[in-house]
Amino acid sequence: KQEVTQIPAALSVPEGENLVLNCSFTDSAIYNLQWFRQDPGKGLTSLLLIQSSQREQTSGRLNASLDKSSGRSTLYIAASQPGDSATYLCAVDSGGSNYKLTFGKGTLLTVNP
Amino acid sequence: GAGVSQTPSNKVTEKGKYVELRCDPISGHTALYWYRQSLGQGPEFLIYFQGTGAADDSGLPNDRFFAVRPEGSVSTLKIQRTERGDSAVYLCASSPYGPNTGELFFGEGSRLTVL
Repeated sequence: KQEVTQIPAALSVPEGENLVLNCSFTDSAIYNLQWFRQDPGKGLTSLLLIQSSQREQTSGRLNASLDKSSGRSTLYIAASQPGDSATYLCAVDSGGSNYKLTFGKGTLLTVNP
Repeated sequence: GAGVSQTPSNKVTEKGKYVELRCDPISGHTALYWYRQSLGQGPEFLIYFQGTGAADDSGLPNDRFFAVRPEGSVSTLKIQRTERGDSAVYLCASSPYGPNTGELFFGEGSRLTVL
């Protein structure tokens, strides 16, 4: 059974810092991996999706990497801003359904002004 | 509407009661999904609809949970004989055409508390 772990569970940084969020998964046979953002009391917003054949994806200040063989992904956030404060969730698709995702518990990020 | 709409946003009920949660997807989206997110956990898949039919209900935890989408738009998640362990945020998402043709758009969820 696929398990996804996110470290750290919580992270607090001053504004302007670059930071890395980590995600690991136990079964490397995945179709893709997604990073989501969840604001308090809100739904999920997809940030980046990396297909199993890809190594990384970039969107603005966000860069996600994937090392499928080692079961790891990182989300790099450059020049963090208070508006980046949210919970970041990593999710893997092991079956190719694109919807039956296995999520981690998330990393709660606080960026202090 | 502009996004996925879920009602009620909050529901408090007593153990043993029946609950209905509603999801109104983005107009024109044929695929609809329900997830459950317990406190401190990531979301877990419950059921996926393509049009009016449940294409995959393998995530429903037991027969107290049921969902319908009679006209291929609005969906209702129904929970019978609620238990305290059912307390969670129930998230709905929709996508155009199907799961492999675009990202999932999530609603803000319905927070269910069973006392």
